[in-house]
Amino acid sequence: GESVGLHLPTLSVQEGDNSIINCAYSNSASDYFIWYKQESGKGPQFIIDIRSNMDKRQGQRVTVLLNKTVKHLSLQIAATQPGDSAVYFCAEIGGNQFYFGTGTSLTVIP
Amino acid sequence: DAGITQSPRHKVTETGTPVTLRCHQTENHRYMYWYRQDPGHGLRLIHYSYGVKDTDKGEVSDGYSVSRSKTEDFLLTLESATSSQTSVYFCAISESLFGTAFWNNEQFFGPGTRLTVL
Repeated sequence: GESVGLHLPTLSVQEGDNSIINCAYSNSASDYFIWYKQESGKGPQFIIDIRSNMDKRQGQRVTVLLNKTVKHLSLQIAATQPGDSAVYFCAEIGGNQFYFGTGTSLTVIP
Repeated sequence: DAGITQSPRHKVTETGTPVTLRCHQTENHRYMYWYRQDPGHGLRLIHYSYGVKDTDKGEVSDGYSVSRSKTEDFLLTLESATSSQTSVYFCAISESLFGTAFWNNEQFFGPGTRLTVL
């Protein structure tokens, strides 16, 4: 099967710094990607999505970058805040199939 | 959590006993899903529903059954629970079938049910 993985299982950043969370995918047919945030004890929450015809998409304090050449996806969080502490994972969708990654745990140090 | 509740939130049961988890939505979304989330795995789809009494299997459906008698309720049943079914279960809803379109692919997830099978 296809795999969606993350380079780093944990990430600690200082409050106010920028965070970068990475995701690798292997299905070249994947054409749509989503980032989720999951706080402890809660369900996943949609953050931002990007389609394969785009390289970059920005939201409020978040930016997703897509590099189709190396099948890599990243989520950038600007001015990270304590409320950003959570697990972040990506999902890839393509060919009527979808896969969720296992996640990176982000800890924001005050 | 977008008008989605799950009950119970926590349950401990013994191997071989039946267990039913309930998902209730107030959003009137057509599609409902049950996922399980385990360490080392991403979310995995168990079953989903595309309407009242219309359901289909997901990736890890063995040992699970579902029912949807009303738009707002989607039940997940473990007929005879096993320790391998110890997991956190999430219900989700969406307006369009997740994974089939570029647009409106947003799923809303419930708070989860932590199930422990001893």
